[in-house]
Amino acid sequence: SQQGEEDPQALSIQEGENATMNCSYKTSINNLQWYRQNSGRGLVHLILIRSNEREKHSGRLRVTLDTSKKSSSLLITASRAADTASYFCATAHFKTIFGAGTRLFVKA
Amino acid sequence: DSGVTQTPKHLITATGQRVTLRCSPRSGDLSVYWYQQSLDQGLQFLIQYYNGEERAKGNILERFSAQQFPDLHSELNLSSLELGDSALYFCASSSGEKLYSGNTIYFGEGSWLTVV
Repeated sequence: SQQGEEDPQALSIQEGENATMNCSYKTSINNLQWYRQNSGRGLVHLILIRSNEREKHSGRLRVTLDTSKKSSSLLITASRAADTASYFCATAHFKTIFGAGTRLFVKA
Repeated sequence: DSGVTQTPKHLITATGQRVTLRCSPRSGDLSVYWYQQSLDQGLQFLIQYYNGEERAKGNILERFSAQQFPDLHSELNLSSLELGDSALYFCASSSGEKLYSGNTIYFGEGSWLTVV
């Protein structure tokens, strides 16, 4: 079964709104990463948060990690149409396991 | 551009056939990963090689095999192809052997395989 599972499966918002995606995982991790995938393209690394970190920022991205709840969230602020993509969380323990992804659609 | 190169970008082949997908990792990266992405299965980890040796195995079928060569490029061999093997196959690379240190995985653009 998947180590990381994203929620929601799909999200549709208006440009300018914030988008929040969640990731839950099952076993202990060393770090958690978020990736983005434009349709039919390769995954692009967005941000990594280590297990001893609680929050991390990168531009319009904010990632939180709650190891007690085994969950992480990715917040994209002031979304743009170009943010339309699928977003995956990946947990790293022995091997990297990706979740099924959240498909984000930002309407202009 | 991630620096990971995959060939071919697209291929169409018949059931029962065999294909080879090729991957050149980023310069300096010793780990190569293979993933399969299909509509119904999502992104599935297949196998990882580090400096020529197998390091981790995921949901890779017995009909599939991979190897990493001394120059660090890797090949994924898919044989006795079935319709259900149609998918996007990604190669990725990272500098570390494991992800404990937080090495980022860099993905290629993928090889689209269509089995007809």
